[in-house]
Amino acid sequence: AQRVTQPEKLLSVFKGAPVELKCNYSYSGSPELFWYVQYSRQRLQLLLRHISRESIKGFTADLNKGETSFHLKKPFAQEEDSAMYYCALLWGGKLIFGQGTELSVKP
Amino acid sequence: IAGITQAPTSQILAAGRRMTLRCTQDMRHNAMYWYRQDLGLGLRLIHYSNTAGTTGKGEVPDGYSVSRANTDDFPLTLASAVPSQTSVYFCASSDSYGAQGTGELFFGEGSRLTVL
Repeated sequence: AQRVTQPEKLLSVFKGAPVELKCNYSYSGSPELFWYVQYSRQRLQLLLRHISRESIKGFTADLNKGETSFHLKKPFAQEEDSAMYYCALLWGGKLIFGQGTELSVKP
Repeated sequence: IAGITQAPTSQILAAGRRMTLRCTQDMRHNAMYWYRQDLGLGLRLIHYSNTAGTTGKGEVPDGYSVSRANTDDFPLTLASAVPSQTSVYFCASSDSYGAQGTGELFFGEGSRLTVL
């Protein structure tokens, strides 16, 4: 069955440190993967999608089909990056979300 | 502000009561979705609608029903609420679905429901 796994519930780093939020997926076809973010008191919103190969707010994510992973990375974390991050897989026109990882960036 | 509006924002409900969460969008999006957000479980799809007049079951549909009488509205009804339905409920919409789905969903602010 299609599944998205985010193994870390909480990730805490200091400002300026690198950050990597892990995401693994289970899907037999060619996956379309996304990262969504929910900042405090804001709506859940799209951060980036793998097909765009873009960097948003300094974040990048590379699809690794061999490891079935789509980890979200940023070389230097900022306090404003603190938020809830969800990895998602598009399947049958619907999004399947992972469990979410709360990122806390300390000053 | 254009987008998705959910109501109520928060509600405490006695078990066994009927409750309808409202969702309205003004973006003329075809597809709409209801998710529930639970700590440690992420967002799970309850029901969805690809176009007005059609609905489908998601991952956790039991105890919930939806209707899509028009493009803009997609209410979620709990016929007889139970404590396990305590959650934050998010409505979302997309301008495409199925094979043309882009994966970009626009979310409402959420409805926090507590069932006692």
